[in-house]
Amino acid sequence: AQSVTQLDSQVPVFEEAPVELRCNYSSSVSVYLFWYVQYPNQGLQLLLKYLSGSTLVESINGFEAEFNKSQTSFHLRKPSVHISDTAEYFCAVRTQGGSEKLVFGKGTKLTVNP
Amino acid sequence: DTAVSQTPKYLVTQMGNDKSIKCEQNLGHDTMYWYKQDSKKFLKIMFSYNNKELIINETVPNRFSPKSPDKAHLNLHINSLELGDSAVYFCASRLAGTYNEQFFGPGTRLTVL
Repeated sequence: AQSVTQLDSQVPVFEEAPVELRCNYSSSVSVYLFWYVQYPNQGLQLLLKYLSGSTLVESINGFEAEFNKSQTSFHLRKPSVHISDTAEYFCAVRTQGGSEKLVFGKGTKLTVNP
Repeated sequence: DTAVSQTPKYLVTQMGNDKSIKCEQNLGHDTMYWYKQDSKKFLKIMFSYNNKELIINETVPNRFSPKSPDKAHLNLHINSLELGDSAVYFCASRLAGTYNEQFFGPGTRLTVL
């Protein structure tokens, strides 16, 4: 079975500061990795994903995540955050070739303060 | 032009009642899901249907019964509602295939009194 650990339940930062949201996973088989963002009172939106190829993936709004197989991690980073980045961020895994279900971490609440 | 829609958005009801939540997607996807997000924001899959066939059924009480009348719809019926059923329920869909992502609906907030 797979599991996802998001080590920080809440991350408060000031505007324009860098941020890293940590995600570690556990799986006996190869996985695909995802970060989803949930803005207040909205559904989840895919932020970025790692399926294969380059281990560094980027989103259109400045976030990036790096897949590290040896450390079983997929941390999310942004060099300079905006107030509009305030949201809940979920890391998720899906096994390659197995069930199509996503297994989510418990989420990290990012709060960007002025 | 909503991709994945759910009705209702909010549902408040008494314990013991039976209620349904509807989900529709207009993306041409063939796989649909129901997830439950509890009060601590933890998201867990409940069911998945592919081409109207149940393919994932996690450990969910049999008071919950999904129904897929066609590929574009996946409804969730809940019998004998309990306080612990209070949560936000999300529908999602995707096109089967390795590299295809799931698209989520806006959620239905169910409150059982």
